[in-house]
Amino acid sequence: KQEVTQIPAALSVPEGENLVLNCSFTDSAIYNLQWFRQDPGKGLTSLLLIQSSQREQTSGRLNASLDKSSGRSTLYIAASQPGDSATYLCAVRPGGYGGSQGNLIFGKGTKLSVKP
Amino acid sequence: NAGVTQTPKFQVLKTGQSMTLQCAQDMNHEYMSWYRQDPGMGLRLIHYSVGAGITDQGEVPNGYNVSRSTTEDFPLRLLSAAPSQTSVYFCASSYVGDGYTFGSGTRLTVV
Repeated sequence: KQEVTQIPAALSVPEGENLVLNCSFTDSAIYNLQWFRQDPGKGLTSLLLIQSSQREQTSGRLNASLDKSSGRSTLYIAASQPGDSATYLCAVRPGGYGGSQGNLIFGKGTKLSVKP
Repeated sequence: NAGVTQTPKFQVLKTGQSMTLQCAQDMNHEYMSWYRQDPGMGLRLIHYSVGAGITDQGEVPNGYNVSRSTTEDFPLRLLSAAPSQTSVYFCASSYVGDGYTFGSGTRLTVV
């Protein structure tokens, strides 16, 4: 059974730091991996989607990497800002299509606080 | 595009009442799913659908029903609300093999 783990559960950094959020998964047979951001009381906003054939994806100050063989993904945030404070969720999609394989399996998230 | 629209945003129910949470997407996505989010439990899949007329159970389906008569709509029905169903509910949709788009959520309290 696929399991997704995010460590640490919470992280506090001063503004301007570069930081890395970690995501690990137990079964390397994934179709893609998606990083989300969730602000308090709000929905999930998709940040980056990495297909299984890709090694990384970038969007602005965000860079996500994927190493399927080791079951790891990292989300790198450059020059962090107070507005980056949120919970970051990692989710894997076991299969592209075919019943339950198309559903996301989530980690429990890393709550990030960036202090001014 | 509106994306994934959920209504209502907030709801308070009495134990034993029934209600339907609405979810609609305008992206012609095949996959649609319902999750609930609880503190310490993360996001758990309730029901999902791979296309109109096809639904299946997720991890925590008890007490909930779904139907998918059109590609656009995927309502979630609570048959007889219980305090244990107090949660935040999210609807999501995706193309085959693509990323998921989530709605803004429904915050449900059962008293």
